[in-house]
Amino acid sequence: EMQLVESGGGLVQPGGSLRLSCAAPGITFSTYWMSWVRQSPVKGLEWVANINEDGSAMIYADSVKGRFTISRDQATSSLFLQMSSLRAEDTAVYYCARDYYDSRGDGYDIWGQGTMVTVSS
Amino acid sequence: EIVLTQSPGTLSLSPGERATLSCRASQSVDNKSLAWYQQKPGQAPRLLIYGISSRATGIPDRFTGSGSGTDFTLTISRLEPEDFAVYYCQHFGASRKTFGQGTKVEIK
Repeated sequence: EMQLVESGGGLVQPGGSLRLSCAAPGITFSTYWMSWVRQSPVKGLEWVANINEDGSAMIYADSVKGRFTISRDQATSSLFLQMSSLRAEDTAVYYCARDYYDSRGDGYDIWGQGTMVTVSS
Repeated sequence: EIVLTQSPGTLSLSPGERATLSCRASQSVDNKSLAWYQQKPGQAPRLLIYGISSRATGIPDRFTGSGSGTDFTLTISRLEPEDFAVYYCQHFGASRKTFGQGTKVEIK
């Protein structure tokens, strides 16, 4: 089963920063949009941000705009999420996901195992 | 932003029974932009259906997606033991991709 691999989660104080990484071993990466999705007991599943194939276009949820930055490195098939000015409500499991699409529609067909981010003093 | 409301919150059924899950959108949804996922405890979501009714690779044909406009349905024709899980719908908007709050299918 193909799976993305996230890393970089942990405990951080409010106002702090964290950088998440997502590797795509053996997965076609460069020709797909990629996304970050988070999940918490309070908010459920929440789309965070996505980035196009060549990294020239990024879209963010209003809740993270101006604080989070999504980026990718095609050479290493890696996806990143730089998070700053973190708040308690950013506490969640963060997943990276591949945005599969064909003539019939879109779906996140490959996910990582998730990395936990806890924002607390 | 389109809001997705799933019902019921919990569905209690026995193996072999039929499950019908609903996802209602606050505005009309484009034909290709509705997906369904299954999630089990401790695991990432798994894509079941995309484009309203297309099954993802490897998904058995007991899973069927249907609907149009604002009302969508995921039907599991005969529940297998491994189908007891939480199910989410998702809208792939041009700029935002929202999820429903989920329906838990539990063993009765």
